[in-house]
Amino acid sequence: NAGVMQNPRHLVRRRGQEARLRCSPMKGHSHVYWYRQLPEEGLKFMVYLQKENIIDESGMPKERFSAEFPKEGPSILRIQQVVRGDSAAYFCASSPGGTNTEAFFGQGTRLTVV
Amino acid sequence: KQEVTQIPAALSVPEGENLVLNCSFTDSAIYNLQWFRQDPGKGLTSLLLIQSSQREQTSGRLNASLDKSSGRSTLYIAASQPGDSATYLCAVTTHSTGNQFYFGTGTSLTVIP
Repeated sequence: NAGVMQNPRHLVRRRGQEARLRCSPMKGHSHVYWYRQLPEEGLKFMVYLQKENIIDESGMPKERFSAEFPKEGPSILRIQQVVRGDSAAYFCASSPGGTNTEAFFGQGTRLTVV
Repeated sequence: KQEVTQIPAALSVPEGENLVLNCSFTDSAIYNLQWFRQDPGKGLTSLLLIQSSQREQTSGRLNASLDKSSGRSTLYIAASQPGDSATYLCAVTTHSTGNQFYFGTGTSLTVIP
């Protein structure tokens, strides 16, 4: 059973471009979470999704950021018109659901905006 | 709002020593608490999950305890090894926010050979 797979591992974008980060959850997991880790800071929650539904997006900036988890395929975190402040490590986690289940994290995508 | 604090922020110990990492949280209405390890430039590796009804969990040289009433958890590492060097993070989920994790800022551990 492969773990949570994120790609790309490293992504460089120029200011104003779009960044697309992909996350494939562990097999059998239908819940996906995205977190952002800024340099020298802790992980901050961004969004929680189930298949085809956004459950909680309270941690996601209102503009330029969007997330989806389609019926087929990976979850996508999309950042439009990137700015230098978007440079961070973005981590995806998955769980089978429920309130007492263990979450597993991917290796992260390190976004650098130049 | 849930606040998670980890003390100390950094810890350096000689190989073979036993050590304790601390985690405190402000809202005791938690679903569970999970300890993770993060190596530099890497993702998070789950170490132990303690459900709200449990007091402790053990895995190998690791033992995690949970005291919900006081809002505290400890991670005990026995007979530390250089390979244990990493940042250790604790995270909680709460009743009010469902499955969202609140993370502490971590304890950076260095085990000196």
